[in-house]
Amino acid sequence: EIVMTQSPATLSVSPGERATLSCRASQSVSSNLAWYQQKLGQAPSLLIYGASTRATDIPARFSGSGSGTEFTLTISSLQSEDFAFYYCQQYDNWPRTFGQGTKVEIK
Amino acid sequence: QVQLQESGPGLVKPSETLSLTCSVSGYSISSGYYWGWIRQPPGKGLEWIGNIYHGGNTYYNPSLKGRVTMSMDTSKNQFSLNLSSVTAADTAVYYCARGSREIVYWGQGTLVTVSS
Repeated sequence: EIVMTQSPATLSVSPGERATLSCRASQSVSSNLAWYQQKLGQAPSLLIYGASTRATDIPARFSGSGSGTEFTLTISSLQSEDFAFYYCQQYDNWPRTFGQGTKVEIK
Repeated sequence: QVQLQESGPGLVKPSETLSLTCSVSGYSISSGYYWGWIRQPPGKGLEWIGNIYHGGNTYYNPSLKGRVTMSMDTSKNQFSLNLSSVTAADTAVYYCARGSREIVYWGQGTLVTVSS
């Protein structure tokens, strides 16, 4: 099983600032990586797939980068609605696996 | 617009079988895509349970040690999850979803509690 490790566990950011979230895979997943946003009481929502392709209707302030084992999700200027949990997920191998999540909170 | 909706008991006794159904609207499950289940224990992260494809192909997470069975009912446009011999560790919000790669469409989730 591929282990996905996200850092930091919690990120405290002021509105308007930049947030950088990391995700590391225990072995290469090529570009088969997705990022999701989850708000309390809701299902996750797809942000990024293919490591860097924004999903439909996702604002340009969200960007993804990386390949192989190291990935980054950047939110260029945090809006109030962006404070949430974020998960990475690999789909290169079975079983599909998720990182443990990063909570982005208001500083 | 593809929509998925989970249904099933919210409380299951230890050692019994958890059974959930996902009803799909806006897309015929026999037309393609893998369909699957993902769960999230309260306050914790996400775990992929498995997938089923029209035609019967399945993939189950080995961590669930053979307790998982999935099936499809194309006449009702539904697919189902059975998880046997449940324990408190199986308490979670269970999501049904379309896809086996990135997941665009999710159900709203249903909380299943394992308790006597």
